[in-house]
Amino acid sequence: AQSVTQPDIHITVSEGASLELRCNYSYGATPYLFWYVQSPGQGLQLLLKYFSGDTLVQGIKGFEAEFKRSQSSFNLRKPSVHWSDAAEYFCAVVWVSGGGADGLTFGKGTHLIIQP
Amino acid sequence: KAGVTQTPRYLIKTRGQQVTLSCSPISGHRSVSWYQQTPGQGLQFLFEYFSETQRNKGNFPGRFSGRQFSNSRSEMNVSTLELGDSALYLCASSLGADANGETQYFGPGTRLLVL
Repeated sequence: AQSVTQPDIHITVSEGASLELRCNYSYGATPYLFWYVQSPGQGLQLLLKYFSGDTLVQGIKGFEAEFKRSQSSFNLRKPSVHWSDAAEYFCAVVWVSGGGADGLTFGKGTHLIIQP
Repeated sequence: KAGVTQTPRYLIKTRGQQVTLSCSPISGHRSVSWYQQTPGQGLQFLFEYFSETQRNKGNFPGRFSGRQFSNSRSEMNVSTLELGDSALYLCASSLGADANGETQYFGPGTRLLVL
């Protein structure tokens, strides 16, 4: 079955430090890639997406992600984190084939903790 | 433009009962997808509706069903509730024009507790 892996369940980063959250997906048809963020008790907010084109994509709140097809990865980065970035981050993939696309497949999430 | 809205936000039910959740998509969006979020299984795709028809379906038992109305609003129904159905149910909407995948925008979710 196609899958999305976020290897880090928890990550702790000091405020002002850089951040990288990892995401790998199983090989399949053309992937559409997303990063979402979820604050406690809230729904999911889209940070950024990649469908095609430039493999480095910019999102909201200063986040960016790079698609590396050879590594089946779509890692999320931020050069300097703020305390308000503390949340749960989800990588999600839609695989597109000739028969259309299924729903989003999500990773298990990475819980980001910001140290003062 | 208003976002995706879900009602109710919280529900408590007992085993064996049934429940109906509602989702109103962003204006102009014609596709509505439903997801279940639990601590153990994470976020899982339930089904997607487009133009009042189920277009995609995840791997959930038949107790989980849905429908979509002509105004694109969608309802999800779970019959014969089990304790394991306790979860946050998220609805997401998209334009729906591209069956190959589009950006989905999520609502705040309905938290269901089954006792």
